[in-house]
Amino acid sequence: TQLLEQSPQFLSIQEGENLTVYCNSSSVFSSLQWYRQEPGEGPVLLVTVVTGGEVKKLKRLTFQFGDARKDSSLHITAAQPGDTGLYLCAGGRTNNNDMRFGAGTRLTVKP
Amino acid sequence: DAGITQSPRYKITETGRQVTLMCHQTWSHSYMFWYRQDLGHGLRLIYYSAAADITDKGEVPDGYVVSRSKTENFPLTLESATRSQTSVYFCASSRDRNRGPRAYEQYFGPGTRLTVT
Repeated sequence: TQLLEQSPQFLSIQEGENLTVYCNSSSVFSSLQWYRQEPGEGPVLLVTVVTGGEVKKLKRLTFQFGDARKDSSLHITAAQPGDTGLYLCAGGRTNNNDMRFGAGTRLTVKP
Repeated sequence: DAGITQSPRYKITETGRQVTLMCHQTWSHSYMFWYRQDLGHGLRLIYYSAAADITDKGEVPDGYVVSRSKTENFPLTLESATRSQTSVYFCASSRDRNRGPRAYEQYFGPGTRLTVT
């Protein structure tokens, strides 16, 4: 079982629609990161959330960290074909040096 | 600004052969990581290193060996490749943990696609 569970696994929507993807865990994280990965490339960092309840906005993307620092969500407003990609969440746990990734949400935005 | 590079980008090898994947970063980041990415599993941590000469196992270390004699290099060796090691391998780096929670942010290389026949 994954330490970080992401849902949905796949999402296919039309351009202009809104969507939310989730990253859940039973563990507490000192921070959570969201990455976006395009085919044939490595993941690219989008944002880091650190404080429980924190909300960060990156243009049409809104990231939220749960109050208990165990979960996070990514909301995209008015999705565009350029948003297509694999969205990964990752976390670093306090007193633990390794990193864990979720399996990802594969988003397709159709024009 | 080269950042983090991996070589080779593509590799085909036969079962039982030894193969080494190279990773080089120019940021002097303390931490370096090796992941494999397979459909349905996402990114799984193989090994990581907190500094030169310090390495630790991740989730799936069996069949792999790492070393870190210099801060900027972190090679991954498959001592006797198996078909189950066919995957895309990513190297990543991040800053010293003493720099706070944002130190967990990772910067990835472009990946090496390895096929074991």
